[in-house]
Amino acid sequence: EPEVTQTPSHQVTQMGQEVILRCVPISNHLYFYWYRQILGQKVEFLVSFYNNEISEKSEIFDDQFSVERPDGSNFTLKIRSTKLEDSAMYFCASSVDRGNSPLHFGNGTRLTVT
Amino acid sequence: RKEVEQDPGPFNVPEGATVAFNCTYSNSASQSFFWYRQDCRKEPKLLMSVYSSGNEDGRFTAQLNRASQYISLLIRDSKLSDSATYLCVSGQLIWGAGTKLIIKP
Repeated sequence: EPEVTQTPSHQVTQMGQEVILRCVPISNHLYFYWYRQILGQKVEFLVSFYNNEISEKSEIFDDQFSVERPDGSNFTLKIRSTKLEDSAMYFCASSVDRGNSPLHFGNGTRLTVT
Repeated sequence: RKEVEQDPGPFNVPEGATVAFNCTYSNSASQSFFWYRQDCRKEPKLLMSVYSSGNEDGRFTAQLNRASQYISLLIRDSKLSDSATYLCVSGQLIWGAGTKLIIKP
């Protein structure tokens, strides 16, 4: 069964540094997403991406964040100038379409900002 | 503000029992709903979509009540492996905080 893959599984960075989280969505999916889950808290939507542009973003997704699909397979989340409160699990997901389609998640990247 | 509310639990249930979760949503325009399960420190995995007519998948039954704006999940003959957090989702963007289920032998 095709799956979403994320790398790295764990990223440790110092406060103020930039990190790039990588994802390879399922190949025939058209919509891509990033979610965040702080330890012990709910899953939070960050951004959705379709047709090489952001289709929707949450209040969390401010200027510190950006997404990119640099080639036909990778989907990246860049966090500039990381803060301690950015420490969380970051999940990438993809779906066939929006709204009525379930999400397929990657295993997540655990980001630890020290 | 669009929200999904769930009882956080935990629900401590003996193996073999039936357990039910409810979830309420605030956006009456929501069209699609899902139940996901999440094991500790793992990614959410789709359990089932929720249809207006109700749907069943083995031991699991999901119901949608649009008039009262709530969604339910029923698990029959619970197994130890059902222990997890169950997440109610409206569309793809609005997530409940989850209900933790612990099945005891």
